[in-house]
Amino acid sequence: GEDVEQSLFLSVREGDSSVINCTYTDSSSTYLYWYKQEPGAGLQLLTYIFSNMDMKQDQRLTVLLNKKDKHLSLRIADTQTGDSAIYFCAERPSSYKLIFGSGTRLLVRP
Amino acid sequence: NAGVTQTPKFQVLKTGQSMTLQCAQDMNHNSMYWYRQDPGMGLRLIYYSASEGTTDKGEVPNGYNVSRLNKREFSLRLESAAPSQTSVYFCASSSYGYTFGSGTRLTVV
Repeated sequence: GEDVEQSLFLSVREGDSSVINCTYTDSSSTYLYWYKQEPGAGLQLLTYIFSNMDMKQDQRLTVLLNKKDKHLSLRIADTQTGDSAIYFCAERPSSYKLIFGSGTRLLVRP
Repeated sequence: NAGVTQTPKFQVLKTGQSMTLQCAQDMNHNSMYWYRQDPGMGLRLIYYSASEGTTDKGEVPNGYNVSRLNKREFSLRLESAAPSQTSVYFCASSSYGYTFGSGTRLTVV
């Protein structure tokens, strides 16, 4: 079946790197996504990676994809207090379906 | 600003009342979606519309109906609201990535 799993909580100190991990089940997913949700707001697309890529870097964000292990990670360099939010991993097994994890709450301590 | 607009932002209903959540996008996307978000459960797909004139059930369609009025608008209707439908509802539209509205917080008492 289709399932996406993430750890529920991560706490880091300001200036450190954050790594949020995700595992997914559907190997046919063409795209994998990271979304950010701030309190009371909708989901904001942070970045996505094609399934034929191993890594994608975008400023402070680095996405790593291990397709063999169906493992996706998001690294945030130099984490700031404004990065505190819930981060959702999602897989897209078909054009019209996006399967979300339950979200990882990132807390950045001053 | 371009994006997905949802109305209303907040709503309180009594059990058995009906209401329609409105959603409009101005990005010329073909596909639109309705999700609900409950604590600890991520987002679950209620209904989607792959293109104008088509709608399909998602993961949790019971108790809901949808209408794809035109390419821009996709509405979600609760005919007889139940407390189990208390949730935050998000509309989205997609091309490569999904763009989400800011959500409707619905409470059914």
